[in-house]
Amino acid sequence: KQEVTQIPAALSVPEGENLVLNCSFTDSAIYNLQWFRQDPGKGLTSLLLIQSSQREQTSGRLNASLDKSSGRSTLYIAASQPGDSATYLCAVLGNTPLVFGKGTRLSVIA
Amino acid sequence: EAQVTQNPRYLITVTGKKLTVTCSQNMNHEYMSWYRQDPGLGLRQIYYSMNVEVTDKGDVPEGYKVSRKEKRNFPLILESPSPNQTSLYFCASSLWRKGDTQYFGPGTRLTVL
Repeated sequence: KQEVTQIPAALSVPEGENLVLNCSFTDSAIYNLQWFRQDPGKGLTSLLLIQSSQREQTSGRLNASLDKSSGRSTLYIAASQPGDSATYLCAVLGNTPLVFGKGTRLSVIA
Repeated sequence: EAQVTQNPRYLITVTGKKLTVTCSQNMNHEYMSWYRQDPGLGLRQIYYSMNVEVTDKGDVPEGYKVSRKEKRNFPLILESPSPNQTSLYFCASSLWRKGDTQYFGPGTRLTVL
């Protein structure tokens, strides 16, 4: 059964710092991996989708990489801002329903 | 505007009183699904639908029903709600099940007393 783990569970950084969030999964037979952002009490906003055949995707200050063989993905946030404070979730789609990690709660301090 | 809508956004009810949470998408998506989010357990899929009249169980289907009579709508039905169904519920849709971005609704916070 697919399991998705996100480390760290929480992270606090000063504004302007570059940071990396980690996601690992146990079954490498996936179709894609998606990173989401969730603000408190709100829905999920899709940030980046990486297909299984891709190595990385970029959107603005965000860059996500995928190493399917080792079961790992990272989300790199450049020049962090207080508005980046949220919980970041990764989700893996394979032959089972979409499986989510429990998220990393990010706080960017001004 | 492309979106997934859910209603109601907040609901407090009592044990055993049947309720329906509606979900609608305006993107002509084939695939729709329901999730619940609980502290410490994360997001878990309840049911999903590949197309009209095609539904299947996710990880935690017990106590829930769904139907897909129209492509745009995917209601979640709790025939006899219990307190352990108190949760935050999300509906999501995508063009296809595999390989496409999932779009999420704003969530429905349900409390069952």
